[in-house]
Amino acid sequence: GENVEQHPSTLSVQEGDSAVIKCTYSDSASNYFPWYKQELGKGPQLIIDIRSNVGEKKDQRIAVTLNKTAKHFSLHITETQPEDSAVYFCAARAPSGSARQLTFGSGTQLTVLP
Amino acid sequence: DVKVTQSSRYLVKRTGEKVFLECVQDMDHENMFWYRQDPGLGLRLIYFSYDVKMKEKGDIPEGYSVSREKKERFSLILESASTNQTSMYLCGSGAGGYTFGSGTRLTVV
Repeated sequence: GENVEQHPSTLSVQEGDSAVIKCTYSDSASNYFPWYKQELGKGPQLIIDIRSNVGEKKDQRIAVTLNKTAKHFSLHITETQPEDSAVYFCAARAPSGSARQLTFGSGTQLTVLP
Repeated sequence: DVKVTQSSRYLVKRTGEKVFLECVQDMDHENMFWYRQDPGLGLRLIYFSYDVKMKEKGDIPEGYSVSREKKERFSLILESASTNQTSMYLCGSGAGGYTFGSGTRLTVV
């Protein structure tokens, strides 16, 4: 089955700096890669996703890049703000099989220091 | 907006009790899921359902069962709660990017 590895597990940045979280996946057939943000006391919330037919997607201060050859994808947050502090999860889904095939990374605790 | 509601935010149960965690979604999604979240392990799939009365085991189904009698409701059942089932439980629904509930933090003592 799919295996997703996420790094780093913790990340601290100064407000205004950029943050990058990286994930690798094992199943070359995976074609959908969402990112979730989980704030304290809340469930994970989808913030951006990318499909395998594109290499990059942006939404204001966040962007995701995908390298299918290397089987890795990354989340980039620019001009970080204190409200960006949260746990971020990456995930990958293979097209085959049933709807269960969304495998999550282990999460990154991002802290933005004022 | 899709809304997924989990019936309890916090639960404390005793070892051996039968525990029911309830989840309701309001967007007519066919797929619903139960995940368990533990520090350093991310989200692990317990069970999922792709239709009423249909279910499939996820990666860690041992000690759990599920029920889906209506499309909007998906229940997770701990047949005999044990301390190693102390965790955060997340219910989700959807086909692409899932929508999750706020979670139920279960403590088994």
